[in-house]
Amino acid sequence: GAVVSQHPSRVICKSGTSVKIECRSLDFQATTMFWYRQFPKQSLMLMATSNEGSKATYEQGVEKDKFLINHASLTLSTLTVTSAHPEDSSFYICSAGIALAGGEEQFFGPGTRLTVL
Amino acid sequence: SQQGEEDPQALSIQEGENATMNCSYKTSINNLQWYRQNSGRGLVHLILIRSNEREKHSGRLRVTLDTSKKSSSLLITASRAADTASYFCATQRKGGYQKVTFGTGTKLQVIP
Repeated sequence: GAVVSQHPSRVICKSGTSVKIECRSLDFQATTMFWYRQFPKQSLMLMATSNEGSKATYEQGVEKDKFLINHASLTLSTLTVTSAHPEDSSFYICSAGIALAGGEEQFFGPGTRLTVL
Repeated sequence: SQQGEEDPQALSIQEGENATMNCSYKTSINNLQWYRQNSGRGLVHLILIRSNEREKHSGRLRVTLDTSKKSSSLLITASRAADTASYFCATQRKGGYQKVTFGTGTKLQVIP
C-alpha cells in the first residue's frame, strides 16, 4: 500500500522557536495533502488542506500565519509552526490523497509529537 | 460541525468477547474508514468501506454501513488484549480530494 512518512517523529523545542515538520508520500504522487492536529485524549481535527503549487486552504480558527504550509512538490508538504508556544504542543498528522478505482483514499503518516517548553 | 459521533465513548470488555462500536455522520459520503490508534501513536488503517457497499470483512473485523441512516458499525470478534486502543471512524465526502472528517472516537479496553 501507499506509504506516507513524517519527519521528525518527535520534537521538543523552546517557546518562541519555529519547528518544521515534513510529510512525504514515498511511492506515489499526492496532489493534495492534509494536516491534522490531535490534542491529548481528543480526536483528529483538520487544520488545512495543502495543494501542490498553490496556497493551502485553512480550516476556520487555524491561523495561517502561525502554521505555514508549503507543498513544494507532489511528494512533499511541510508544516512550520512559527513562534511556537506551549499551547501548540500536540500530535500533528499528515495524510496524502491518492486516486484509486472507485474513489479516493487517504493514507496517513505516523505523526509528529511536538512539545513546546 | 461535520464531525461524526461515535458511541460508546469508552468500552471495557473481557478478552474473547466481541466489541461493537458505532459511528454516525451527517453528510453524504464517498467512503468511510475505520482507524485504530494506540496511546500516543499514529493511526493504523483498518478498513475502508465505500458508499455503495453494505458490509466488509477483514480478519476479525466486520464493518457495516447504512447510508440511509448515515451510520456505520465496527465489530471486533474474539477480542484480544492487543486490541486495546482508540478506534476512530472517518468519513470522506463525495467529490474529488475531499478532506476526511474524524469521529470522536471510542476507547476500547480489553481486559486479559
